[in-house]
Amino acid sequence: AQRVTQPEKLLSVFKGAPVELKCNYSYSGSPELFWYVQYSRQRLQLLLRHISRESIKGFTADLNKGETSFHLKKPFAQEEDSAMYYCALTNSGGSNYKLTFGKGTLLTVNP
Amino acid sequence: KAGVTQTPRYLIKTRGQQVTLSCSPISGHRSVSWYQQTPGQGLQFLFEYFSETQRNKGNFPGRFSGRQFSNSRSEMNVSTLELGDSALYLCASSRSRAQLNEQFFGPGTRLTVL
Repeated sequence: AQRVTQPEKLLSVFKGAPVELKCNYSYSGSPELFWYVQYSRQRLQLLLRHISRESIKGFTADLNKGETSFHLKKPFAQEEDSAMYYCALTNSGGSNYKLTFGKGTLLTVNP
Repeated sequence: KAGVTQTPRYLIKTRGQQVTLSCSPISGHRSVSWYQQTPGQGLQFLFEYFSETQRNKGNFPGRFSGRQFSNSRSEMNVSTLELGDSALYLCASSRSRAQLNEQFFGPGTRLTVL
């Protein structure tokens, strides 16, 4: 069975502070990990995925297979980063064809 | 190009009724997945359709069903509604089954069961 755990339901930081949203997963196969973001009154959208190893809006995430983690990081948080963030998993190669989501972390960046 | 559209956006029903939600994928997308989003459980996978066939199903009771038409539009149906079915139902489409990295979500249908 595959499972995604986001231990923090709420995370509050000040503008300019570093932020790290934690994600741990459980999966017996080869996982593909994603971070999705949902801004207020907007639809859920893909932020980044581990395969592309890219930085989007200053966010990065590294897959650590040893610790089964895929934490999302940004060195200097901005107020516009306030949103709900979801970590999600599928199996590499996509033969599972579904995303398993964590329960999400609501990030609030205070001025 | 137009994004994923879902109708209706809001729905209020009473217990015991049934409801049908509709999803129109992005043009050219053939895979449609449905998710239920609630404050307590977050996002949970309902089912996935491709080429008019259900290919994958989540852990939901048989009251939840769906279908896909030849133009890739999809509907989901919930029969004998319960209070716990109140949720935001999201539809997502992708060009093919394997392209979850290019899966786009609709705005959702907010279902309230009274």
